[in-house]
Amino acid sequence: GQNIDQPTEMTATEGAIVQINCTYQTSGFNGLFWYQQHAGEAPTFLSYNVLDGLEEKGRFSSFLSRSKGYSYLLLKELQMKDSASYLCAVRVISNDYKLSFGAGTTVTVRA
Amino acid sequence: NAGVMQNPRHLVRRRGQEARLRCSPMKGHSHVYWYRQLPEEGLKFMVYLQKENIIDESGMPKERFSAEFPKEGPSILRIQQVVRGDSAAYFCASSLTVSGANVLTFGAGSRLTVL
Repeated sequence: GQNIDQPTEMTATEGAIVQINCTYQTSGFNGLFWYQQHAGEAPTFLSYNVLDGLEEKGRFSSFLSRSKGYSYLLLKELQMKDSASYLCAVRVISNDYKLSFGAGTTVTVRA
Repeated sequence: NAGVMQNPRHLVRRRGQEARLRCSPMKGHSHVYWYRQLPEEGLKFMVYLQKENIIDESGMPKERFSAEFPKEGPSILRIQQVVRGDSAAYFCASSLTVSGANVLTFGAGSRLTVL
């Protein structure tokens, strides 16, 4: 199985930057996903990394280091609506339809 | 363009009753996946279905749980003789294809509470 770790909670101020780390241990790595989930709602796709490096998409960026089994999601210019749970998920080659999720990081943005 | 539709959104059952959760995938999507989210835990894969076929049910508990995706109609996740430990949010996702940089589109979930 995959061992995926991310912090449980983070708090930040509106307008600030927050970095959510995710570490994983797996064989046959085939991609890492970040999803955002507001309370009581569906997880929605944020980003996908399969090669090392940084993917930037507006205020959100995601980084991957395959050799270190490490990714982070960077949220810039935080807004109140960014208060949500952020889920890190890994896919492996042998089952490329199946995602293994971490427990999620709850981010609270304060005014 | 409706997304993945799940119903009911909330379901309350007493121990021993049956729970049926329905999922209609996005239009044009023929791959359906069910995940379960227990309190304070991550989403856990349960089963992957295509029309009329169960492709992978390795995440399904061996007893009381079953899933189907008939030729017509929504996918159904059925839990017989529910117990308190079945209380969770059940999410359905669908995709256009199964491989590659495939992005899952999730429904809003069905929250089952077992009294």
